[in-house]
Amino acid sequence: DAKTTQPNSMESNEEEPVHLPCNHSTISGTDYIHWYRQLPSQGPEYVIHGLTSNVNNRMASLAIAEDRKSSTLILHRATLRDAAVYYCIPLSGTYKYIFGTGTRLKVLA
Amino acid sequence: DAGVIQSPRHEVTEMGQEVTLRCKPISGHNSLFWYRQTMMRGLELLIYFNNNVPIDDSGMPEDRFSAKMPNASFSTLKIQPSEPRDSAVYFCASTLTSGSPLNTDTQYFGPGTRLTVL
Repeated sequence: DAKTTQPNSMESNEEEPVHLPCNHSTISGTDYIHWYRQLPSQGPEYVIHGLTSNVNNRMASLAIAEDRKSSTLILHRATLRDAAVYYCIPLSGTYKYIFGTGTRLKVLA
Repeated sequence: DAGVIQSPRHEVTEMGQEVTLRCKPISGHNSLFWYRQTMMRGLELLIYFNNNVPIDDSGMPEDRFSAKMPNASFSTLKIQPSEPRDSAVYFCASTLTSGSPLNTDTQYFGPGTRLTVL
């Protein structure tokens, strides 16, 4: 399983973009990169996933480095509701999500 | 859809008592997961069912823990006897596993059961 490194915490002002980095230097060629987030007192929820190229959905964008050893989750305009712990999860062809410690995002009003 | 439903949402029990946690997956999903989350260990996979059959229970801590899935719409996680170190939030998640590879399947989590063992 690929190991991940994420900052423990980050802060952002409301309405500003947020870039959440993740290093996954041991990722294999077929590992998709998934991002989940966990709002306070809730279960994790899916945010986005990708393999090689950048991905966009209504929640966020995912920028994947060309060598795939890192990725960045981009929230284009952070809101107070985006305050959560964000997990980066390379998934190696199995069901086993390995949730690390994630990045706790604090959004300032 | 109502999403994954877990009950109870909170459970407080005394050491030595039996505890049963319940989960109803999203209708049509064929895979179900039980996770445990603690401050010390984070979020850990306990057991994985596919088509009601336990596929991987390597994360189950010890024999005091057992899980069943008698049908596609219901699963239980039982702890007997419970101990204070079992205090945690237990999450159930489900997904529709389309086949191989599995690495694009999205897991949908329930709200969790917060268990406190005194």
